[in-house]
Order: sequence, then structure tokens, then C-alpha cells
Amino acid sequence: DTGVSQDPRHKITKRGQNVTFRCDPISEHNRLYWYRQTLGQGPEFLTYFQNEAQLEKSRLLSDRFSAERPKGSFSTLEIQRTEQGDSAMYLCASSSQGQSSYEQYFGPGTRLTVT
Amino acid sequence: AQTVTQSQPEMSVQEAETVTLSCTYDTSENNYYLFWYKQPPSRQMILVIRQEAYKQQNATENRFSVNFQKAAKSFSLKISDSQLGDTAMYFCAFMKAGAGSYQLTFGKGTKLSVIP
Repeated sequence: DTGVSQDPRHKITKRGQNVTFRCDPISEHNRLYWYRQTLGQGPEFLTYFQNEAQLEKSRLLSDRFSAERPKGSFSTLEIQRTEQGDSAMYLCASSSQGQSSYEQYFGPGTRLTVT
Repeated sequence: AQTVTQSQPEMSVQEAETVTLSCTYDTSENNYYLFWYKQPPSRQMILVIRQEAYKQQNATENRFSVNFQKAAKSFSLKISDSQLGDTAMYFCAFMKAGAGSYQLTFGKGTKLSVIP
């Protein structure tokens, strides 16, 4: 088990373009989270999946953002019509169900730059 | 809503010395978890230590320990025998217990530099 992985690690895009990020959680983890971290700030929660069900969404997740986890394994986060304010690090985390369900393991993140 | 405040944007410590990072939080919840995460430069976030609010005993993990004061809503991290590899951003985080919510609320972080 190699931990949470994210792809790509860096993405530069022009304003107005769509981007999609992928997250592969730790294999036995059924919970998956997306966070956004801007410079000088702590991560902010975006959304959370348990298996394939999206159970919680932040108000930060505008209608330009959509997240999926179709088979309860990997997840994708798509941003449509990107804006400069979307520039941030997008972090994915996963956790197991059970006694340690509150411990989230983070991936390396995808750094998005919108020009 | 919960808030987490880290009042020290940057700190430095000499190698082998002890340093304490501060964190306060605001919540109306009685059951919750508190965490310290470490984010080394250009590397992923790692869980350092956790504390369950119902436990009175302070958590300890090797050189890392916390001072949890529930009434004061304070949760500081002490790093003993600081090492160069401790250089990182440190984030304090809060999570409600139960209620099916697993959202972490983070503070803004403290940048710790360990000086040789």
C-alpha cells in the first residue's frame, strides 16, 4: 500500500478552461475527502464520500465544481470554467470505517494555477 | 460552526531544544477530536498526534505531546528534542465526533524552523 495518490501533481490552465483531478485513496479506505488549500491558509473542506455516495458538501463547492466517486474507489474533482480564484492546492484524503475512522491520510495534492 | 486559531504564524527553535505551538478553538460541541498535522516543505500532510475530547489524559507520541485544556479550549503541541526534520508547517485541526460528519476544520498554521 503506497498511500493516497493524486494526479496530476501540477496543472496550469487558462481562465475559462475545464480541469479534472484524480485521487486514489488507500485501498481499504471507504471514505474519501477533498480539501482546498490556498497560500498561507490551512486546508478547507470541500466534500466527502462514503463509498460512492457523496454525503457532505461545503458551501465552498460552487456549481462549477463537481466531484464523483463512481465505483467507490478513485475519485475525480472537476472544475468548469476556471477562474483565477480557483488557483490553490487541492488535497485528497482518505480514512477507514471503524475505530480509526477519524484519522485522515492525505495525498501530496494537485497544485492548480489559473492564468 | 467551529473555528481554530493558531496565533503564532512563525516560530523557530534550536536543534535539541523544546518548543510549544499554541492552538485555541471555539465550539459548542462536547464530543470532538483534535489533531496536529505536519506539512513539510513540498511534501504531504502527516498526522502527528490526536486527542479525544472525552479523555482527560494528554496524548503523547514519542517526542510530541499535547496540553489539552478543555475548559479553556486550548490544545498546544510540545516538541521535545527538536530535530531538523521537524521543520514544517504545523496545523491544528478540529473534528466533531459522531453525527456522521468527518469534516476537519484547520487553523492557519504555524511555520516552524529548526535551526542547527
